[in-house]
Amino acid sequence: QVQLQESGPGLVKPSQTLSLTCTVSGGSISSGGYYWSWIRQHPGKGLEWIGYIYYSGSTYYNPSLKSRVTISVDTSKNQFSLKLSSVTAADTAVYYCARANIPQGAFDYWGQGTLVTVSS
Amino acid sequence: DIQMTQSPSTLSASVGDRVTITCRASQSISSWLAWYQQKPGKAPKLLIYKASSLESGVPSRFSGSGSGTEFTLTISSLQPDDFATYYCQQYNSYLWTFGQGTKVEIK
Repeated sequence: QVQLQESGPGLVKPSQTLSLTCTVSGGSISSGGYYWSWIRQHPGKGLEWIGYIYYSGSTYYNPSLKSRVTISVDTSKNQFSLKLSSVTAADTAVYYCARANIPQGAFDYWGQGTLVTVSS
Repeated sequence: DIQMTQSPSTLSASVGDRVTITCRASQSISSWLAWYQQKPGKAPKLLIYKASSLESGVPSRFSGSGSGTEFTLTISSLQPDDFATYYCQQYNSYLWTFGQGTKVEIK
């Protein structure tokens, strides 16, 4: 059973960089057929796809966030990470990591989510 | 970018009701459409992928249909555990977009 777990600071100051890591267990991040993804949900709102990385290192980002987002992968640790720069209060959200099953075109495994608040 | 529009935004229904939620894409996405159920404080759960394929372990009262730009999620007989928010999601040209959600409430 694949499991994903987000970790990182729950509070980030405005203008700083938000950094989160997702640890994958029960399966190898180096397996083909999956995009390792970040998704966020503003309080009381809908879901917003942030971007994904393939195990090879190829990335694709939501155009609305592209200038501030970097997603990286560490296959040796079975982890992938999110960095979001120049954050504002509008970046306060629950951040989820998820596995995108490419043949299905859907996110089949999700982390539990972590709330990140941007505040001074 | 492809926009996904769900309707209704909120739906009030009773246990045993047949419930249908619609999702429209701003351009054709073939069958690259998934449905999720989300309960408060929890991560979304995949129900349907590729418009009509039932994810393993999901009850058969959930079904999906459609292709191109119009899709539906149907719950054949609403159960107490089904009161939640439902999202559609499309995958096209390496980009992924969610609908705004439909909250299914107790009538």
